[in-house]
Amino acid sequence: KAGVTQTPRYLIKTRGQQVTLSCSPISGHRSVSWYQQTPGQGLQFLFEYFSETQRNKGNFPGRFSGRQFSNSRSEMNVSTLELGDSALYLCASSFGTGGYNSPLHFGNGTRLTVT
Amino acid sequence: QQQVKQSPQSLIVQKGGISIINCAYENTAFDYFPWYQQFPGKGPALLIAIRPDVSEKKEGRFTISFNKSAKQFSLHIMDSQPGDSATYFCAASKTSQGAQKLVFGQGTRLTINP
Repeated sequence: KAGVTQTPRYLIKTRGQQVTLSCSPISGHRSVSWYQQTPGQGLQFLFEYFSETQRNKGNFPGRFSGRQFSNSRSEMNVSTLELGDSALYLCASSFGTGGYNSPLHFGNGTRLTVT
Repeated sequence: QQQVKQSPQSLIVQKGGISIINCAYENTAFDYFPWYQQFPGKGPALLIAIRPDVSEKKEGRFTISFNKSAKQFSLHIMDSQPGDSATYFCAASKTSQGAQKLVFGQGTRLTINP
């Protein structure tokens, strides 16, 4: 079974631009979550989608948004990029509601650099 | 109250030794406690997880010890090997509010010297 696939692996953008990151979950997984990883703040939850609906959201500004398609693939969008948005963005999928019986499986991330 | 505090930040252990990483949490509503292992250039991979109704869980060389009253849990790696050198993250979540919303510790960079 293929793992979680994230594209692209690397991105360089300029302050003020917007960016879209893509995630393909493991086949059969209906939940997709997004996390931001930085050296200073560590791993922080952005949001989670299940059956095209956002079920949970972290404490990030409205510039961060996402969506999920009917095939469970997900995209994350960041508008008006700031230098502090430079991070590794990780997508994770799970079969059901997550937790002990359906743990999160992470992709290898998209490294975003904002200059 | 949402924090998970992890220590130490870095750890060096000799091959064959025991690696111990500790985590403490504040929110007593947390009911799912996984540990993730991350290698450079890769995403975190689930290593082992525990529920609060169990005090210990063992999978191969990896053991989680859980102390509900102290709100602490730890990862023990027995017979540590150079291939175990990675960054380890503890995490916690409330399944009733979405177990995908994991709160992570800051991570421990483990180095196993051959």
